[in-house]
Amino acid sequence: GAGVSQSPRYKVAKRGQDVALRCDPISGHVSLFWYQQALGQGPEFLTYFQNEAQLDKSGLPSDRFFAERPEGSVSTLKIQRTQQEDSAVYLCASSLTTSGRGNEQFFGPGTRLTVL
Amino acid sequence: GESVGLHLPTLSVQEGDNSIINCAYSNSASDYFIWYKQESGKGPQFIIDIRSNMDKRQGQRVTVLLNKTVKHLSLQIAATQPGDSAVYFCAENIGGYSTLTFGKGTMLLVSP
Repeated sequence: GAGVSQSPRYKVAKRGQDVALRCDPISGHVSLFWYQQALGQGPEFLTYFQNEAQLDKSGLPSDRFFAERPEGSVSTLKIQRTQQEDSAVYLCASSLTTSGRGNEQFFGPGTRLTVL
Repeated sequence: GESVGLHLPTLSVQEGDNSIINCAYSNSASDYFIWYKQESGKGPQFIIDIRSNMDKRQGQRVTVLLNKTVKHLSLQIAATQPGDSAVYFCAENIGGYSTLTFGKGTMLLVSP
């Protein structure tokens, strides 16, 4: 079956532009996560959804970052007024449940954002 | 695809060797640990996990060892193959739900 997909795969933005990154999780997966991965670093948690509810957004670096999952499936990460330090790979992951068995996270390929 | 391995510790081995990748974690409250493999231009891929009530777990060609006393995790890959070349991350689960905290990665380079 299909895994987690993300679009676009690559995005180049001029500083100050708004961007929207899309994540299509595995069908039926309850949990959805966004991570930010700087070059040469491990992924860092941004935010977590359980169905349509955003339960944790403690990792969002500023109020320019906003995420939504209105129908509990597809999610969008929006970054307003992009800055050069926002350049990174943005990874989306989904898992079947919230804890215990089935909570393995499946990652998408990521969106590489470059802010000029 | 772009490289995720710049400036990372690197382990270089020959095909057929056994590889050991180490990871130190910081939070003694962590109770679930996972090893991920990340190839260039791809997202992390689950390899093996272990819960804190175990000190060893084996998979196909991989073994994870957990030493809670010194907060250390290792991944052993037997008979390493060129296809194992990637960046490897350990991750820990803290707080009772599924958010992961990733460690610094190690790049594994396997020469034929």
